[in-house]
Parts: sequence; structure tokens; C-alpha cells
Amino acid sequence: SYVLTQPPSVSVAPGQAARITCGADNIGGKSVHWFQQRPGQAPRLVVSEDSDWPSDIAERFSGSNSDNTATLTITRVEAGDEADYYCQVWDTDTDHWVFGGGTKLTVL
Amino acid sequence: DVHLVESGGGVVESGGSLRLSCVVSGFKFEDSAMHWVRQAPGKGLEWVALINWDGGNTYYADSVKGRFTVSRDNRRNALFLQLNRLTPDDAALYYCIKGHGDNGYGRFDFWGQGTLVTVSS
Repeated sequence: SYVLTQPPSVSVAPGQAARITCGADNIGGKSVHWFQQRPGQAPRLVVSEDSDWPSDIAERFSGSNSDNTATLTITRVEAGDEADYYCQVWDTDTDHWVFGGGTKLTVL
Repeated sequence: DVHLVESGGGVVESGGSLRLSCVVSGFKFEDSAMHWVRQAPGKGLEWVALINWDGGNTYYADSVKGRFTVSRDNRRNALFLQLNRLTPDDAALYYCIKGHGDNGYGRFDFWGQGTLVTVSS
């Protein structure tokens, strides 16, 4: 099965940039989606590689993807960005959706 | 506005069954694939099942295949998940999700608030 590996936690000071990675074999060949889940809330999509995602999410959120690592970057981090973040891909070999284990972002 | 409202969760004994429902509004239901995702308490997200626009194609996580069945009623704007032979490992908050496009391969656009399933041993 296709496994997405995320660091359990990332810490960043307010105003700095946070980078959360998602590693997997040849993930650069797949479309990666990123979700934010604030405490007590349902997840919501924050970054999608789909070009037509009409996002109302702040432009501070962006994604990159190459080779074996996808990265979610949050610039000018705010206290409200503190949440769990999950990456996700569609695995064409198994016809399964796969989530990463999640990364807890702490704003210091 | 898009709304997805799940219901049907509750407490069930190990080996029992439950049927979850999700009623949607704010978008053309018959044009969208739909998904179920679950989250055990304090744990991460686990995709459970997807159904394409007309119910002709369904896919399941290995952990639930053969025990869970996803279905939909496009006339009633409703999605269902039948849970059979439940075990304590199935205890979780179950989310209903609208997919982008009709085949199930697109992004997960909108999530409901979830319905909680508790399995007693």
C-alpha cells in the first residue's frame, strides 16, 4: 500500500514561515491535497493541486511537490493557523484514497 | 451554501450494525461523487469509502471491505453507509464529504461535521 509520511509536529514563531512535508515514493507524480483541522472542527481543504480550486483560503497557504516530497508552506504564520494538517493522494494502484498521519502545527 | 448533515451514529455492541445517513444541500448532488472518512478519537483521518455519481462504482478501504456498504439516493439528496459486524476498531467520528467531479478521483471539496459511532465490547 502507498504510505504518506508526515512529521508528527512542527513548531514555528508567529510571523515566520512553516513548512510541513509529506514523503512518499514518487509523490511528485501525483496530485497532493492538504487539509487543515482545527481543534474540535471538521477538516477543510486548504491547498489542492487542482488548477480550478476556487479557494477562499488565504494566499499564505501554498503547496509544492517534486520527486519524493510534497510540502505545505504557510507564510506569516498566525495563532489561528495552529491545527493538524494532513496530506492526501489518490493511489491509482489500489484505487484507494490515502491520508498522511498528520502534523500538529504549534505556533509558539 | 453547501451543507452536509450526517446522522445515525450511536452506541452499538461489538458485532452489531448501524446505518449512517448524510443529507446534502447547496449543490447538484447527482453530479458529485461522495465519500466517507472516519477519525478515531485522538487519531488521524482514514478514508473509508467512495461512491460515484450514480452509484455504479464503489471503492472501500481494506479495513472495511465486505462489512460496510456505501449507497446513495439521488432523488432524496442522501448518502448512506451501512456498517455491519462492527468491532471496537470501527469506533470513530464518520464524516460525509462531497467530492469534486462525478467519478471520485477529484479533491474533497466540502465536509460535514460528522456523526459519532461508539462500539462497546
